[in-house]
Amino acid sequence: DAKTTQPTSMDCAEGRAANLPCNHSTISGNEYVYWYRQIHSQGPQYIIHGLKNNETNEMASLIITEDRKSSTLILPHATLRDTAVYYCIAYVDGQNFVFGPGTRLSVLP
Amino acid sequence: EAQVTQNPRYLITVTGKKLTVTCSQNMNHEYMSWYRQDPGLGLRQIYYSMNVEVTDKGDVPEGYKVSRKEKRNFPLILESPSPNQTSLYFCASSLSSTGTRSTDTQYFGPGTRLTVL
Repeated sequence: DAKTTQPTSMDCAEGRAANLPCNHSTISGNEYVYWYRQIHSQGPQYIIHGLKNNETNEMASLIITEDRKSSTLILPHATLRDTAVYYCIAYVDGQNFVFGPGTRLSVLP
Repeated sequence: EAQVTQNPRYLITVTGKKLTVTCSQNMNHEYMSWYRQDPGLGLRQIYYSMNVEVTDKGDVPEGYKVSRKEKRNFPLILESPSPNQTSLYFCASSLSSTGTRSTDTQYFGPGTRLTVL
């Protein structure tokens, strides 16, 4: 079973890059790492996912270490609207997204 | 627009009065799931469905029922709601659910805030 640990909270200045770390040391070789965010009480929003290689899309970049034990979500130019709880998720039993407490990111003006 | 919809978005009810929260997706997804979110406890899975007529319990299934008669719909049923089921509920869907495919990405609905008095 792959479980994840993340910092409880982080601050980031508006316009700067936000780097959110996640530890998933027990992830198995073929499990993806997913990142979601939740703004207030809205439905969790998909951001990005990856397996081994670094990934980039219009929202963010995902850097996965070579041993796959950890990853970092990068929001390149954080805005106030990026203030949210960010969840790093690795699959458990192939059927269940297990959401931990996530990281509460505050983007400060 | 590809989406997951839930109804109602807000509901206040009384103990013991049966209710159904509907969930529908228009992406032809095989997998659907219900979560509840409570302060300090995060998102917890209630039930999930791998396909039509196939459902299974998640982490907190007590007091809930589900059905999957059609691919697009996955209603959550509370036969006799109690105050401890006051929560924020989310439905989600994905094309697959293997843990090893890119198509496992889950998409969430906007949520249903339920209050049981």
